[in-house]
Amino acid sequence: GESVGLHLPTLSVQEGDNSIINCAYSNSASDYFIWYKQESGKGPQFIIDIRSNMDKRQGQRVTVLLNKTVKHLSLQIAATQPGDSAVYFCAENYNDYKLSFGAGTTVTVRA
Amino acid sequence: EPEVTQTPSHQVTQMGQEVILRCVPISNHLYFYWYRQILGQKVEFLVSFYNNEISEKSEIFDDQFSVERPDGSNFTLKIRSTKLEDSAMYFCASTDGRLISYEQYFGPGTRLTVT
Repeated sequence: GESVGLHLPTLSVQEGDNSIINCAYSNSASDYFIWYKQESGKGPQFIIDIRSNMDKRQGQRVTVLLNKTVKHLSLQIAATQPGDSAVYFCAENYNDYKLSFGAGTTVTVRA
Repeated sequence: EPEVTQTPSHQVTQMGQEVILRCVPISNHLYFYWYRQILGQKVEFLVSFYNNEISEKSEIFDDQFSVERPDGSNFTLKIRSTKLEDSAMYFCASTDGRLISYEQYFGPGTRLTVT
């Protein structure tokens, strides 16, 4: 079926290290991808997006990589901070702005 | 910075009762959405709304669900006869629909508990 999923449900990372969160998608027609961060008790918060005609996009401390050949998306967080502890979701869009979310990766930053 | 707001933050209701969840999308946005998230699970799409009509809905959005934009600012989700399995966080989202970005802005959510 058409779905977006994350490889690992949890990720523990030392403060200051880089984090890499992975996501696999199955719909080759998807043309837009977003990474969201969700803190406890809050709604998803936009981090960064990328269109299918790109393979890399950088933001502040975050980089998204898109590999359309293997339908893989990743989020890299540089110099991870305690405030980065959250659940991270990738989401894809291919039809009328509907977003299909993956299962989420819980990132825990160790001091 | 403009934001999506939702009320109430927590709604407790008995099975079979009707509930209305309210959202105020960002004022210049044109597309509106409802999503739900069962505890510990992923966010699931329910419905999208544009130009005063539903543009797409998921299989979850059955006849018990309805949406409405009663005025120029509010966007509501009604569940006519709640079931235990409707217990979840319900998120409203909106986007301005620009071609450059489909970024959807999410509200803080309403936690619905059906007892």
